[in-house]
Amino acid sequence: SYVLTQPPSVSVAPGKTARITCGGNNIGSKSVHWYQQKPGQAPVLVIYYDSDRPSGIPERFSGSNSGNTATLTISRVEAGDEADYYCQVWDSSSDHNYVFGTGTKVTVL
Amino acid sequence: EVQLVESGGGLVQPGGSLRLSCAASGFTFSSYWMSWVRQAPGKGLEWVANIKQDGSEKYYVDSVKGRFTISRDNAKNSLYLQMNSLRAEDTAVYYCASQDDVYFDYWGQGTLVTVSS
Repeated sequence: SYVLTQPPSVSVAPGKTARITCGGNNIGSKSVHWYQQKPGQAPVLVIYYDSDRPSGIPERFSGSNSGNTATLTISRVEAGDEADYYCQVWDSSSDHNYVFGTGTKVTVL
Repeated sequence: EVQLVESGGGLVQPGGSLRLSCAASGFTFSSYWMSWVRQAPGKGLEWVANIKQDGSEKYYVDSVKGRFTISRDNAKNSLYLQMNSLRAEDTAVYYCASQDDVYFDYWGQGTLVTVSS
């Protein structure tokens, strides 16, 4: 089955840029979606189709995808961005399988 | 405003059964694929099952095939997950989520299922 690998944690100072990677075999050929999950809350979609933002998501959130790595970038990080972030793809090689990454805890210093 | 409200979670013994429900509002429920996604305590997200708009197609992660059944009632704007032969490893928060193509655009707050003797 398809595997998505994320770093367990990323630390960033307020106002700086956080980059969260999502590694997978030829992930650039797939569409990648990103979710933010704050403690005790449900996940929230922040990026879909690699780089599109749902309404209500700040422009500070952006995404890219190429080769074997997809990246979620959070610019001008704020304290409220502290959360777990998960990437997700649809693995068309298996039976309707939706795969999530291992998750990255973003800590704002 | 889109709302998804799960219910039906609780403590159940290994081998037991539980039926989860998800009440949807604020969107045209019958127009969307719907999914269940779970999260074991302190762990990541795992897709469990989904169902087509009219209920004609259903898909499951391998670990629940033959034990879980997803269903929906469009007249009641409701999604269900019948869980049988529950195991300790099924312990998780279960989220109901609406699908837009191959991603999950809205999520409920989740319901906790604990399988323990």
